Amino acid sequence: EIVLTQSPDFQSVTPKEKVTITCRASQDIATRLHWYHQKPGQSPKLLIKYASQSIPGVPSRFSGSGSGTEFTLTINGLEAEDAATYYCHQTSLGPLTFGGGTKVEI
Amino acid sequence: QVQLQLWGAGLLKPSETLSLSCAVYGGSLTGYYWNWIRQSPGKGLEWIGEISQSGSTNYNPSLKSRVTMSVDRSKNQFSLNLSSVTVADTAVYFCARRPDGLDFWGQGKTVTVSS
Repeated sequence: EIVLTQSPDFQSVTPKEKVTITCRASQDIATRLHWYHQKPGQSPKLLIKYASQSIPGVPSRFSGSGSGTEFTLTINGLEAEDAATYYCHQTSLGPLTFGGGTKVEI
Repeated sequence: QVQLQLWGAGLLKPSETLSLSCAVYGGSLTGYYWNWIRQSPGKGLEWIGEISQSGSTNYNPSLKSRVTMSVDRSKNQFSLNLSSVTVADTAVYFCARRPDGLDFWGQGKTVTVSS
């Protein structure tokens, strides 16, 4: 099973700040890595697919990069509504797995 | 806009079978994998498995012996059965569509296992 390790586990930030979340895979997954955020009581929402591809309707302040085993989600100019837990997710090899999550608190 | 609506029993006793269904509105089952994911209280996301419209399945090995998924193309819906539940199966269960990432999710269903 491919293990995804996110860091940090928790980040307290202020509005307009730049936020960077890292996801490391236990083996090469090319770019089959996707990012979500989940607000309390809600379903996760897809932010970025295939490491760096944008999703229609998702604000442009969300961007992703990386390939192989190391990936980054960047939020440029954090807004209050971005308070959530962020998860990475790999679809390279079964079983599909998720990272442990990064809670972003404003 | 695709919508997924999830339903099923929310309270089970140990050893019973969890049964959930997810109806797809505004889109076809064709061309996608249809996934089940769960989230234990205060924890992260766990992938249960997925099924295609043709009935091809992939299950998480950790649950494979207890999981059965099915698809009903006439009703545009898919289902999850998880047998012999224990308190460890208490979680919020989600259904979701996967073309690549999981792009549309159902609203989540809380399932509690308690004697």
